[in-house]
Amino acid sequence: GAVVSQHPSWVICKSGTSVKIECRSLDFQATTMFWYRQFPKQSLMLMATSNEGSKATYEQGVEKDKFLINHASLTLSTLTVTSAHPEDSSFYICSARLTRSSYNEQFFGPGTRLTVL
Amino acid sequence: GIQVEQSPPDLILQEGANSTLRCNFSDSVNNLQWFHQNPWGQLINLFYIPSGTKQNGRLSATTVATERYSLLYISSSQTTDSGVYFCAITDGSSNTGKLIFGQGTTLQVKP
Repeated sequence: GAVVSQHPSWVICKSGTSVKIECRSLDFQATTMFWYRQFPKQSLMLMATSNEGSKATYEQGVEKDKFLINHASLTLSTLTVTSAHPEDSSFYICSARLTRSSYNEQFFGPGTRLTVL
Repeated sequence: GIQVEQSPPDLILQEGANSTLRCNFSDSVNNLQWFHQNPWGQLINLFYIPSGTKQNGRLSATTVATERYSLLYISSSQTTDSGVYFCAITDGSSNTGKLIFGQGTTLQVKP
């Protein structure tokens, strides 16, 4: 159990276009999902916390107008990279938090590799 | 903020060897997880272990929360164990659930 999917797995787009990435928890409900960014040979960097039914909380230095997050249901969060530029090229990974009582584990999607030309 | 340090940064093993990866953290934690990131980028959950010891096949982990460290043991390593191993924690003073990742240990297992 505890499977998280992401779509698309990779995307190539032209500079100036917008790209939407979907993150779904397939077999559990997640009131909280997280979006991370990872550059080659580096660790994961948290971008934002996505809360179902409310606004996302962004980490310091992350542009909320560039990275739009919508968590419209208990199984779906979306990240839209608006007006993408080459420096936005990266590996984007989402996670969903499975919470039961004091148990609080995160499960990760397979990631989306974004290349902006 | 809370710091997470992993060691060693890189590790090369011969197939069949054992290894120990370490994760130190600077403050109390609510949650500690170990992950293996495979060559395709997928993070695979290995252990959810805020305290105590767990074992799963050739892997085991121990977290000593009072001394602020966790260890991941890999026994009889296989080439498929290659990849990056991450330790991640949630700050004990926060209820946001945000995971803070260490820099990872890159493991290469040679046949």
